Amino acid sequence: DAGVIQSPRHEVTEMGQEVTLRCKPISGHNSLFWYRQTMMRGLELLIYFNNNVPIDDSGMPEDRFSAKMPNASFSTLKIQPSEPRDSAVYFCASLAGFIGGNQPQHFGDGTRLSIL
Amino acid sequence: AQKVTQAQTEISVVEKEDVTLDCVYETRDTTYYLFWYKQPPSGELVFLIRRNSFDEQNEISGRYSWNFQKSTSSFNFTITASQVVDSAVYFCALSEARGNQFYFGTGTSLTVIP
Repeated sequence: DAGVIQSPRHEVTEMGQEVTLRCKPISGHNSLFWYRQTMMRGLELLIYFNNNVPIDDSGMPEDRFSAKMPNASFSTLKIQPSEPRDSAVYFCASLAGFIGGNQPQHFGDGTRLSIL
Repeated sequence: AQKVTQAQTEISVVEKEDVTLDCVYETRDTTYYLFWYKQPPSGELVFLIRRNSFDEQNEISGRYSWNFQKSTSSFNFTITASQVVDSAVYFCALSEARGNQFYFGTGTSLTVIP
């Protein structure tokens, strides 16, 4: 079975540019998460969707970040305009059910983002 | 306060040594779930094990074993006869039945020296 698929795997762009990260969750999973990982702050939850609806976006750093889930098989995380401090590894994860259940999150391979 | 504490930031062991990674959690829920994930140098996060709050049985899977103790709010992970391939960052996580997110610990970086 295919796991969580993220694209691109690597992205290097100049500050000020728009960046779009993409995620395809595991088929049948109805919860999706976006995380950011940095050395300084570790693994941070940015936003959590359940049945395509954003449930908790309190971790989204600021208005430059936005996330959408137009359908059950696709989500995007957009940064506009990007800044060097956004450089990090961004992970997408999905799970069958909802947070608080006994199912683990399954992670994609991540997108390594570098903003110059 | 941290919901999940992994006090060991970095550990180095020599190959074939046993090593235990500590995880202490904090919750008021009576129903909750604990997880361990592995993040090897290649960067992906791999799910290892899940435990629910009603099941305190320890688990063994090959060289890996997990010791869940509610009395001390701990869910420790032991690798027996460590190998170089075990070198990774290991994360402990908590999910509360009434909560709204996973709580990840800050991770323990394990280096196994050949």
